[in-house]
Amino acid sequence: QVQLVESGGGVVQPGRSLRLSCAASGFTFSSYGMHWVRQAPGKGLEWVAVIWYDGSNKYYSDSVKGRFTISRDNSKNTLYLQVNSLRAEDTAVYYCARDSVSYCSSPSCYKPPRYWGQGTLVTVSS
Amino acid sequence: DIQMTQSPSSLSASVGDRVTITCRASQGISNYLAWFQQKPGKAPKSLIYAASSLQSGVPSKFSGSGSGTDFTLTISSLQPEDFATYYCQQYNTYPLTFGGGTKVEIK
Repeated sequence: QVQLVESGGGVVQPGRSLRLSCAASGFTFSSYGMHWVRQAPGKGLEWVAVIWYDGSNKYYSDSVKGRFTISRDNSKNTLYLQVNSLRAEDTAVYYCARDSVSYCSSPSCYKPPRYWGQGTLVTVSS
Repeated sequence: DIQMTQSPSSLSASVGDRVTITCRASQGISNYLAWFQQKPGKAPKSLIYAASSLQSGVPSKFSGSGSGTDFTLTISSLQPEDFATYYCQQYNTYPLTFGGGTKVEIK
């Protein structure tokens, strides 16, 4: 069965960095686009970034562009999010999620993610 | 960026009620609109894509409609398991954006 397991969260001081990981299993990882979505405590969902199935394209929310980098290692079935220059407002649970349609790179074939990890909490505090 | 505005932000309803949530996009997004349900402490669950298509396994009491800038999610007969927060999301253009959420509470 499809499993996504995030790790790498923790308490970090403002301005520091972390690398979040999402280990995937139960499907052909290299066939699917992957997303990071976050949720600050008591707040709504915020889409963070996407990487296409082959890593050829990456897109970011304005709030993280230039500070966060999404990447993937298809040989290790793992998705990453490098988070730099952390701010208090980056405190959130970070979820990884898998596209529902393989090899999809346009809205016309896109279906929103059905598979999500359990989330990893990042707390930015001095 | 495309802004998504949901209303209401919260509502109270009784079991058996018909509930409608609206979502408005700041510009036209065709039908590239999804709805998610989220319960406390859990990851979101995808309900609807392409504004009106049910994800596999989602009960038919959920329905969606709309195109362009105005969309609705309807729950035909609210059940105890439906009390949750609902989010719309546009996927017409990157960055993808969510609405602020609608919390459905028990009256």
